[in-house]
Amino acid sequence: AQSVTQLDSHVSVSEGTPVLLRCNYSSSYSPSLFWYVQHPNKGLQLLLKYTSAATLVKGINGFEAEFKKSETSFHLTKPSAHMSDAAEYFCVVSERAGTASKLTFGTGTRLQVTL
Amino acid sequence: DAMVIQNPRYQVTQFGKPVTLSCSQTLNHNVMYWYQQKSSQAPKLLFHYYDKDFNNEADTPDNFQSRRPNTSFCFLDIRSPGLGDAAMYLCATSSDSGYPSGETQYFGPGTRLLVL
Repeated sequence: AQSVTQLDSHVSVSEGTPVLLRCNYSSSYSPSLFWYVQHPNKGLQLLLKYTSAATLVKGINGFEAEFKKSETSFHLTKPSAHMSDAAEYFCVVSERAGTASKLTFGTGTRLQVTL
Repeated sequence: DAMVIQNPRYQVTQFGKPVTLSCSQTLNHNVMYWYQQKSSQAPKLLFHYYDKDFNNEADTPDNFQSRRPNTSFCFLDIRSPGLGDAAMYLCATSSDSGYPSGETQYFGPGTRLLVL
């Protein structure tokens, strides 16, 4: 069985400072890993995904994540936070289950960006 | 742009009054999913369609049904909404390329359901 642990339920940073959102996973197989962002009352937007190619994955809006198999981690980073980055972030691991992709979500990290 | 569309964005219904939520997609994906997301929680999968084949999650209440008349459209029917069914309902799609750990799911903007 697979699982995802987001180590921080809430992160607060100042605008212009780096962002680090931490995620650890457990999977029996070579996983596909994703980060999704959800702004208030919106759907989930795909930020980036890892599917066993390069371990450093670049996403949209300046975000990137590094897959570290030895640490079973997939932390999300951004060099400089912007006010528009304030949202809920979900780390997700995917496995194939029959005819579909079964997603296991972390509990989410709420990112607050202050002036 | 190819996308997943959900209508309406906000839906108000009365306790016990049937309601239908709509999802359409221009991605031509063969798999469509419905999720329920309650406040401050992660989304929870209700069911999915692989082409026309319906796959229900074991813990999805019978009160929730779904229809997929064609590749592009999928509907979520709540037969007798209760106060506990108030939530955001998210539709997602993916293509089946046989990738061993599954494919990317693309989400719509969601429909927020309020039950009075």
